[in-house]
Order: sequence, then structure tokens, then C-alpha cells
Amino acid sequence: DAKTTQPPSMDCAEGRAANLPCNHSTISGNEYVYWYRQIHSQGPQYIIHGLKNNETNEMASLIITEDRKSSTLILPHATLRDTAVYYCIVRVGSRAGGTSYGKLTFGQGTILTVHP
Amino acid sequence: GAGVSQTPSNKVTEKGKYVELRCDPISGHTALYWYRQSLGQGPEFLIYFQGTGAADDSGLPNDRFFAVRPEGSVSTLKIQRTERGDSAVYLCASSLNGVLGNEQFFGPGTRLTVL
Repeated sequence: DAKTTQPPSMDCAEGRAANLPCNHSTISGNEYVYWYRQIHSQGPQYIIHGLKNNETNEMASLIITEDRKSSTLILPHATLRDTAVYYCIVRVGSRAGGTSYGKLTFGQGTILTVHP
Repeated sequence: GAGVSQTPSNKVTEKGKYVELRCDPISGHTALYWYRQSLGQGPEFLIYFQGTGAADDSGLPNDRFFAVRPEGSVSTLKIQRTERGDSAVYLCASSLNGVLGNEQFFGPGTRLTVL
């Protein structure tokens, strides 16, 4: 599996953009970049994913570099409720019954603390 | 709509006992995953079901761990002869069909404590 590298922790002021970096230099062509977050005492929550192009949804934007070796998750206006552990995951395709599926391989993630 | 639910939310047991942890996936989701999360670590994959069959059980740590999904919906993770090292939060997730590119929806987890 391609490994990801994230800073262990980051701080952000409420209302400002939070930019969370992730390195995945060994990513291969068919692997997706996924972001999940985990708020204390809850299960992980899906945020966004992408293959090559930048993506945006109601929660965040994902910027993937042209060589796909790194990406940045952007929370445009961070709130206190965005304080969580953010996981960048490269999701590998595996074969099961002829169907390619992707189990999630979590690393340590980045602890994002949003402060007033 | 209803999300993934897991019961019990907390389970305390003694070393050597048998436990069962239950997962109710989102209705209509054919793919179901079990993960285990130790304190301070990210979740670790255990097993993946597509329908009733375990398509990938490579993450199960040893033969004390077993999981079933007899009707392709509810799943039960079974742990025999529990050890203190089994203490963790056990997370269940489901997705529409498991195909790469589909997101996984996680339940709140079951916190297992083995005394």
C-alpha cells in the first residue's frame, strides 16, 4: 500500500482556512486519495476523495498536485467543531470476487485544533 | 436516514471470556467492514464482507477472531478467549457496494475492555 505522511498536529484560528498537507510519493496510477476525520469518541467520517483532479464539496476542497505525490485538504472557514484527527489515506484497489474494492489503511493522522 | 449502528456501545469482560459485537449497516449496503482502533492509533482493518461472504479476512489477528454476516445485513464479530491486548474500540463501516471510489460510513464503535 502507498504510505502517507502527515504532520502530527496543526492549529488554526476559528474562521480561518485550515490547510492540511499530505505526502504520498509512492502513489500509483489507480489509487485514490481519501480524507476522513475522527472527532473525539466518534467513528471516522468521510470528507472527500479524488484521483487526479481537484475536488470540492460542501465540507472541504482537495487539491492534488499534478504529479499526485502530495495533496492538501482545505477547510475554508474552520469552526471549533472541526477540531478532530484528520486522516489522509491512499486507497488501494484489491481483488475480492473479481471486484476491485478498497479497504482503508489509516496512519496516525493530523490532530487539528481550531481555537477561538 | 439511519446510519451504521453498533451494540453494545461498551463491553467489559474478563480475560478468557467470549464476546460478541454486533453491527447493523446502512440498509441496502452490501459491503461491510470491521476495524479495530487502539488508543492513540488510527483504525486497523480486520475483515471485509461483500454480501454474506468474507471477501478479505487478512486483518484478523489470529483464530480467536471470527466474524459472520449470515443474511448479508447484520454482522457479528466474535472473539474467543479474550486477552487484555484485545481491549480497543471496534468499528464497523458499510458502503454501497465496496467498489473502489465508494465512501465508507462508520458506526460509533464498541469499546471493549478486557480485565
